[in-house]
Order: sequence, then structure tokens, then C-alpha cells
Amino acid sequence: GAGVSQSPSNKVTEKGKDVELRCDPISGHTALYWYRQSLGQGLEFLIYFQGNSAPDKSGLPSDRFSAERTGGSVSTLTIQRTQQEDSAVYLCASSLGQVNTGELFFGEGSRLTVL
Amino acid sequence: GNSVTQMEGPVTLSEEAFLTINCTYTATGYPSLFWYVQYPGEGLQLLLKATKADDKGSNKGFEATYRKETTSFHLEKGSVQVSDSAVYFCALSDRTGANSKLTFGKGITLSVRP
Repeated sequence: GAGVSQSPSNKVTEKGKDVELRCDPISGHTALYWYRQSLGQGLEFLIYFQGNSAPDKSGLPSDRFSAERTGGSVSTLTIQRTQQEDSAVYLCASSLGQVNTGELFFGEGSRLTVL
Repeated sequence: GNSVTQMEGPVTLSEEAFLTINCTYTATGYPSLFWYVQYPGEGLQLLLKATKADDKGSNKGFEATYRKETTSFHLEKGSVQVSDSAVYFCALSDRTGANSKLTFGKGITLSVRP
């Protein structure tokens, strides 16, 4: 399809395990964003990529969280040693350029449950 | 820092009722303002936007006006439908920063009864 694709759609893991979440943005979109959606907390910004570099990673909650983007396309968000408070829906979005004039296109999210 | 405050939810309305969802913001610089909607089982999508003061964004019968003097961007619709049931998020972007991102409110769930 032509939209933002995320996988897996659902992930259940045990506390202490590592998880990888994948995002495939819309072809040609240079900007890519990760957000976290928790119940009652709205959308929390995690990290922003422009091409393969991340000029803003201020939202990553701890050093257990990391993300990379390769080839200006696919991005992976990695959470090491997962904790129960990491349970949330992780959303990826992409845009053509500066978000202040354009719009973000969101994927359907990856729901992470840490037992 | 930037922040967006939305009215508390959830909101339940009967079909054809008038809808207002309040949104106020705090921002450095001169932000653009957005309303995003998340329908059940779908990803967030842009509903409307406004990029400067007194601009009115509109789409699908929804409207919101950028009010710089009251730092608000309230969403309105004259007659809601069952198909409008969704979660609505107000958001802003700071145009003065090189690192552009959207700051979202907590969202509000709207349920419309037939």
C-alpha cells in the first residue's frame, strides 16, 4: 500500500526482554517521527529523523530506548530490557518536509504489552 | 516549552447536535495549529489546519479558527453524525525551530448516538 506501514501490529513480551518495532514510511518522505500513545496521556513525542540523522531525540524516555533509520527509509525503534511502563501503542509518522506547513501521515501503530 | 490543553472527555452527543471541542495552546514563536482525528481501528489523520492568526481551517463540516489573542483553536461542527465518533487531537508545530515536530494534546473521545 501507499501508506505508512508498521510491524508488528501487536507484540506481547515479558519484562526484561528486548523488542524491535519497525516503520516503513511513505516513499519519498524525508521526515520520520516516532510517538508513544498511552492511555490518558495523549501522544508523546519520542524522536524525529530527517533523512538518516536524528536532530531531535529529546523525547526518548531513557537510554533503554534507541532508534535508527537506514537508507532514508525504514526505521527501527528498539526497547531494551522492557518494563511494564513501556506498554503503549508506538506510532510512526512520516512527512514530505517541514511539519509546520505540511501534514504527518501516521501508521496504525504497534501495540506493545509488557507482562 | 510548547503545550496543548484540550477539554476533558469523553463527550457523548446525539446525532445532529452542535459540537465544540476546546483547545488552547502555549508556544514560543508563531505556531501552526492542527486538528487530527483517529477513527476506530485507524491511524491518525489530519482533519484541518491553520497556519496564521485568524485563519479558519475547515474539512468535512468541521471548522476551527486560529485565535492568537486567546491562544485557542476550538473545533466546531454544526451537526454531528454517528460517523464522526472518533478521538480528536489538537496539535501545534513551532515554525521557528529547525527541528520540526508536532506537540499534541491528550485527545478527546467523541461518541455520537443515533
